[in-house]
Amino acid sequence: DIVMTQTPLSSPVTLGQPASISCRSSQSLVPSDGNTYLSWLHQRPGQPPRLLIYKISSRFSGVPDRFSGSGAGTDFTLKISRVEAEDVGVYYCMQATQFPITFGQGTRLEIK
Amino acid sequence: EVQLVESGGGLVQPGGSLRVSCAASGFTFSSSWMHWVRQAPGTGPVWVAHINQDGSHTTYADSVKGRFTISRDNAKNTLYLFINSLRVEDTATYYCVRDWYGEHIWGQGAMVTVSS
Repeated sequence: DIVMTQTPLSSPVTLGQPASISCRSSQSLVPSDGNTYLSWLHQRPGQPPRLLIYKISSRFSGVPDRFSGSGAGTDFTLKISRVEAEDVGVYYCMQATQFPITFGQGTRLEIK
Repeated sequence: EVQLVESGGGLVQPGGSLRVSCAASGFTFSSSWMHWVRQAPGTGPVWVAHINQDGSHTTYADSVKGRFTISRDNAKNTLYLFINSLRVEDTATYYCVRDWYGEHIWGQGAMVTVSS
C-alpha cells in the first residue's frame, strides 16, 4: 500500500498570512492514463471532507484561488496564499493512482 | 448539482448486518466510478470499496474483504454497501464518493454504530 505522510500535523497561522502543507508518498505516484490522482481535501468539524484540489494542481469548482497545489513523483504541496477564518479545519492529501486509495494523517490548521 | 445522500445507518449489535444506501442525483450515475470511504470518530478517512460503472468490477480494502459487499443499481441511481458480521471497530461514518476522473465528490455520510 502507498503510505501518505503529511507535515506538519498542526499549523497555527495568523489570518492573512500564507500556509503550506506537504505530503510525501512512499512510492512514486506514477501516472496512469497520463494523470496523477493526488488530491487535497478540507474537513471542518461535523462535516464531510470537501475536495479542494485534484490531479495535483487542478482547483475544484468553487474553490477560492488562494488555494493551489503542486508537486510530482513523491512530493506534493498545498499552499494557501492568505489564510482566512473559514480555512480552519483538517486538511488531507489522498492518492487514488493505485488501489487501495490512501490518505495522509491530516494537518490541523488553526488560527493563532 | 451533484448530490449524494446516504441512508441506512444506525445502531447495530456486534455480529449483525446492515445495508447503507447512497442516492445519487445531478450527474450521470451510470458513467461514474463510485467508492465507499469510512471515518471512525476522531480519525482520518479510510477507503473501503470501489465499483466500476456497470458494477462488473469491485475492489475492497483487505480489512473488509469477505464481510463488505459494494453494489449499485444504475436504474435507481443508487449505490449500496452491505456489511456483515459487524464488529465494534466498524463504528464510523460511511461516505459515498463519486469518482469522476480524479474529482472526488463526497456525500454527507451515514453513521454506523456497532455496540451491544
